[in-house]
Amino acid sequence: DAGVIQSPRHEVTEMGQEVTLRCKPISGHNSLFWYRQTMMRGLELLIYFNNNVPIDDSGMPEDRFSAKMPNASFSTLKIQPSEPRDSAVYFCASTPFGRGHTEAFFGQGTRLTVV
Amino acid sequence: QKEVEQDPGPLSVPEGAIVSLNCTYSNSAFQYFMWYRQYSRKGPELLMYTYSSGNKEDGRFTAQVDKSSKYISLFIRDSQPSDSATYLCAMSLSSNDYKLSFGAGTTVTVRA
Repeated sequence: DAGVIQSPRHEVTEMGQEVTLRCKPISGHNSLFWYRQTMMRGLELLIYFNNNVPIDDSGMPEDRFSAKMPNASFSTLKIQPSEPRDSAVYFCASTPFGRGHTEAFFGQGTRLTVV
Repeated sequence: QKEVEQDPGPLSVPEGAIVSLNCTYSNSAFQYFMWYRQYSRKGPELLMYTYSSGNKEDGRFTAQVDKSSKYISLFIRDSQPSDSATYLCAMSLSSNDYKLSFGAGTTVTVRA
């Protein structure tokens, strides 16, 4: 398996534009997580899906952020409109259901810069 | 005060030295303690996890947990340049708890 695949690896966009980040979890993994990493705040959990259903989105910072998981092999994180303070590295991670983070695998991340 | 505090570093050591990394935490309910390694421009990868108090050894890596002091450590023996990375501690309430509390990470450089 190629692991968790995220795209794009880098994204530079202008303030106000819509940004869509994509994630393909490892096949057979039921749980998917979106994280944001910044120097100031470290690694923060944004949203957690189990069997394609959002279970906990309390970490989503604002209504400008939305996430979907239309099927077991694909998830998106959308920011609309984007702002400079959204600049960060966004990670997707997946794990078999109920295994917590002892078997979690992270993607390589999307480095987002909003100018 | 953050729930998990981690020595910020950065840490620079010569090859072969012992690297010592630490985290303290405030929530006494944490039961599972993890160390992640993150290479530059990569995602974190789980290095070791420990349940409750005690030591766990895996090759050159040793994780220690002292729940009475709310203090965890990671030691890297015979450090190699390939150990140069950012190390993040993380902890959770149970083994299948999806919510982890992360430390900010310590960047380690092992000089050849």
